[in-house]
This record gives sequence, C-alpha cells and structure tokens, in this order.
Amino acid sequence: KQEVTQIPAALSVPEGENLVLNCSFTDSAIYNLQWFRQDPGKGLTSLLLIQSSQREQTSGRLNASLDKSSGRSTLYIAASQPGDSATYLCAVKPGANNLFFGTGTRLTVIP
Amino acid sequence: DAMVIQNPRYQVTQFGKPVTLSCSQTLNHNVMYWYQQKSSQAPKLLFHYYDKDFNNEADTPDNFQSRRPNTSFCFLDIRSPGLGDAAMYLCATSRVQAENTDTQYFGPGTRLTVL
Repeated sequence: KQEVTQIPAALSVPEGENLVLNCSFTDSAIYNLQWFRQDPGKGLTSLLLIQSSQREQTSGRLNASLDKSSGRSTLYIAASQPGDSATYLCAVKPGANNLFFGTGTRLTVIP
Repeated sequence: DAMVIQNPRYQVTQFGKPVTLSCSQTLNHNVMYWYQQKSSQAPKLLFHYYDKDFNNEADTPDNFQSRRPNTSFCFLDIRSPGLGDAAMYLCATSRVQAENTDTQYFGPGTRLTVL
C-alpha cells in the first residue's frame, strides 16, 4: 500500500529565507504528484501538479521536483514571506484511484 | 466565485445523533469525493462518486454513507456519530478520474464536533 511521508513535520524560518520541503512515497507507480497548501481550519488549495513523466514544475516563487525512481519530491519556496505560513501537503495519485496524502509540513515564516 | 461549497462550516452534534453534511459545486465536475481529516493527520478518502457510480473505500465504517442526487450536490450522512468521528470533513471534485493532469478542487471543509 502506498505510503507518503513528509519531513520535517514543522519548520520555522525567518522572512526572506529560501526553504525546501520534502516528500517521499513508497510506490513509484503514480500518475502524478501534487503539492497543496492548507491554512488553519480551511480546505486545500492546489499549488503545483507534476505529471509522472515530468521532472519539475514552477509557479512564481514555488518550484516542485519529482524523482519517481527514488520516490521523492521537493517543494522549494524562494524568498519566503509571512503569508507563506501554512501547512503544505503532498499527495500522489496512484492510477485511477484516490489521492494518498502525507501528513504535511507546518511552515511558519517569522517576520 | 466559490466553486466547491460546503455547509455548514461548523457542525455540533450529540453522540449518536444522525448528522448530514452538504457539498455543492459549480464546476460541473463528474467526480466528487469526501475526505475525513483528523487533527494533524493526512486527509483520508471515505468514498467518491464517478457520476452516479458510488465507490466506497474498503476501510470506511458502515456508519458513513453518501448520496449524490445530481451532478452538483453530494451529501455525507453519519448515522450514529461517535466521539472518534470528530474531524474536518473535506469535499473535493475533479473532472476526470484517470488523467495525468487531473487535480482535485477542495471545499473549505466542515468541522464536526461530537459532544
């Protein structure tokens, strides 16, 4: 069964720093991998989607990479801002089924 | 502008008292999902509808049921809520289930408290 792990569970950084969030998954047979953002008490917002045939995707200050063979993905956030404070979840899509989520990394950007 | 709407945002019920959570969408997506998310845990899929076809996850308790009367609406019924059912319930939609580019659009969630 697919398992998704995110390290670290929590991260605090000063404003302006670049940072990397990590995601690992056990089964490389996936259609895509997504990174979501969740604000406290709110739903999930999709940030980036990487198809299984792709290596990375970029959106503004966010860059996500995918190494399917090693079962790893990273989310790079450049020049972090207090508004980036949230929980970031990665999820893999194994075929035509549901999304398997990690437990997330709670990011705090300190002004 | 809201695309996936959940009502109510907060629901308090008593132990054993049936409760229904509502989800509606303006995206005309054919797939609708219900997830349960407990504090500091990953969202866990309960079931999903592909059009009118209902797909239950193997480990979803019988206490949880769902209805989808039309494309726009989907309901989550909890027949006899227990204390362990207190959680955030997230509704999501997607257009096609199996494509590489398929992404899910989430509603804001309903926070369920069981007293």
